Amino acid sequence: EAQVTQNPRYLITVTGKKLTVTCSQNMNHEYMSWYRQDPGLGLRQIYYSMNVEVTDKGDVPEGYKVSRKEKRNFPLILESPSPNQTSLYFCASSGTWGPGNTIYFGEGSWLTVV
Amino acid sequence: AQSVAQPEDQVNVAEGNPLTVKCTYSVSGNPYLFWYVQYPNRGLQFLLKYITGDNLVKGSYGFEAEFNKSQTSFHLKKPSALVSDSALYFCAVRGYNNNDMRFGAGTRLTVKP
Repeated sequence: EAQVTQNPRYLITVTGKKLTVTCSQNMNHEYMSWYRQDPGLGLRQIYYSMNVEVTDKGDVPEGYKVSRKEKRNFPLILESPSPNQTSLYFCASSGTWGPGNTIYFGEGSWLTVV
Repeated sequence: AQSVAQPEDQVNVAEGNPLTVKCTYSVSGNPYLFWYVQYPNRGLQFLLKYITGDNLVKGSYGFEAEFNKSQTSFHLKKPSALVSDSALYFCAVRGYNNNDMRFGAGTRLTVKP
């Protein structure tokens, strides 16, 4: 089954403790991205990657890092999480970058930073 | 930069009645428009998109959307709502030379029996 898989789905952590949210897709997609969803703000892009070893900042990159060493994986790293990073995070992918290409989303990762 | 507005936070409809979820957009050049639906504790599911061609786009689960260039709108519609359509709906837009897909704040649709 074609899918985008995120882990963990739910996480409570403490301020300053490094964490990684993994993302993997099995569709051989070139384009991958991370979004955060906050009430009243919709989804905002954190980082995106147009292919292996190519990443760039989205709208809200502060406090996050990413890497794209393999085509299928695009982990999101929070080096020193803070409470304002409490949010619902989505990983997404599409075949290639192109404005008309559909983006497919993972199930989401609920992150709480206390 | 492109942007999307969903003017209604909440839409309530009786089952069997038609529904409309509104979306207006702003973008330089031709728009690429999308609708997604989010059910509780789930990711966003693609419903339909407009790239070019016919202004009326048909999508999943009986939904359709009408592109109106003069009004810069892309309203989501369904002729007969189901209780199972209750969910959070997001409109999104992309411009040709910008990879960033901009999402609206979302509209919560509630269909009552």
